[in-house]
Amino acid sequence: DSGVTQTPKHLITATGQRVTLRCSPRSGDLSVYWYQQSLDQGLQFLIHYYNGEERAKGNILERFSAQQFPDLHSELNLSSLELGDSALYFCASSKLAPPDTQYFGPGTRLTVL
Amino acid sequence: AQSVTQPDIHITVSEGASLELRCNYSYGATPYLFWYVQSPGQGLQLLLKYFSGDTLVQGIKGFEAEFKRSQSSFNLRKPSVHWSDAAEYFCAVGAPNDYKLSFGAGTTVTVRA
Repeated sequence: DSGVTQTPKHLITATGQRVTLRCSPRSGDLSVYWYQQSLDQGLQFLIHYYNGEERAKGNILERFSAQQFPDLHSELNLSSLELGDSALYFCASSKLAPPDTQYFGPGTRLTVL
Repeated sequence: AQSVTQPDIHITVSEGASLELRCNYSYGATPYLFWYVQSPGQGLQLLLKYFSGDTLVQGIKGFEAEFKRSQSSFNLRKPSVHWSDAAEYFCAVGAPNDYKLSFGAGTTVTVRA
């Protein structure tokens, strides 16, 4: 158990819908990262927050957004969902800003029907 | 930008035999290197990491990895595999002033009795 929690574990929804994925980092960690794992793209970095501020964006679609709250938990919002958004979404956390070891949560499996 | 290549998509090894997983990276300076393991339906668990210093790194579950700058490699080894080592293994590279980890495509390890 890495100490990073993610909810929900599974999410099934329809195209065009909007969902919110939640992540709680390890106690004391200030950085939160979001990654998407799919069969065709592998593990792709989406976005990074440090102590409530967005620090970097990766291959994140405009339909996706995220935020980190004062209590340091983070939410990833996915809207206008498409079939291709079906994937495993991981949250990771680290104590400091990079470079620092990232610890991953168990992931949220999103299925878009 | 840094990148990672894991040349072997799938490796089958007998229980008790040794295991070596290859990882090659592309980066101009000394990167930060990680190996993670993902069991089916699970998140990513950190096996070991290299930031600097001794190029032979010991990790959890009896794994070790060796950083070879001349070969741009960070191969993972285990002297004697157990059935529970069957999983997917990911090599990842990070860099100073870069917020993301770049992952290889992964190597799936099957352990036969």
